[in-house]
Amino acid sequence: DIQMTQSPSSLSASVGDRVTITCRASQSIRSFLNWYQQKPGKAPKLLISAASSLQSGVPSRFSGSGTGTDFTLTISSLHPEDFATYYCQQSYFTPFTFGPGTKVDI
Amino acid sequence: EVQLVESGGGVIRPGGSLRLSCAASGFRLDDYGMSWVRQAPAKGLQWVSAINWNGGTTGYADSVKGRFTISRDNAKNSLYLQMNSLRAEDTALYYCAREVGATRAFDLWGQGAMVTVSS
Repeated sequence: DIQMTQSPSSLSASVGDRVTITCRASQSIRSFLNWYQQKPGKAPKLLISAASSLQSGVPSRFSGSGTGTDFTLTISSLHPEDFATYYCQQSYFTPFTFGPGTKVDI
Repeated sequence: EVQLVESGGGVIRPGGSLRLSCAASGFRLDDYGMSWVRQAPAKGLQWVSAINWNGGTTGYADSVKGRFTISRDNAKNSLYLQMNSLRAEDTALYYCAREVGATRAFDLWGQGAMVTVSS
C-alpha cells in the first residue's frame, strides 16, 4: 500500500499569513494527488485534484504543486474561513490512502 | 440539487451486520465511480471501498476485506455498503463520495452515517 505523510501535523497562523503544507508519498503517484479541507462537523471538501488543478469555486489563494512523491498545498494569504484540517490523498492505486491531516488554527 | 444522502447507520453489537445506503440526486449515478470513506471519532479519513460505474470492479481496504461488500443499483441511483462481522474498530462516520474523472478525486460527499459498534 502507498503510505502518505504530511507535515506539519498542525500549525498556528494568523490571518494574512502564507501557509505551506507538505505531503509525501511512499512511492511515485505521478500527479494523482488530491487535497481536501475539512471543518469540524462537516464533510471534506475537494480543493485541488491532480496535484494542481483548482476545483471550481475554490478561491485562487489555494494552489497545489508537485509530482512523483512530493507535493505541497499553499494558501497565499490565510482568511478566517481557512482555519480547518487539510488532508492529502493519493488516487493512483487502491487502496486509496489519505495523509494524517494538518490542522491549521489560530 | 446535486447531493448524496447516507442512511442506515446506528448502534450495533460486535459481530453484527448493518447495511448503509447512499441516495444520489441531481445527477446520474451511473456516470460515476463511487467510494465509501470513513472517519473514526476525532481521527483522520480512511478509504474503505470503491466501485466502478457499472459494479464490475470493486476494491476494499485490507481492514474490511472479506467483511464488507460494496454494491450499487443504478436504476435506483443508490450505492450500498453491507457490513458484516462488525468490530469496535469499525466505529466511525461513513461517507459516500463521488469520484470525478480520471483523477478519481472525491468531488461530492454525503453528510455521513454514524456506525457505532459496541456491546
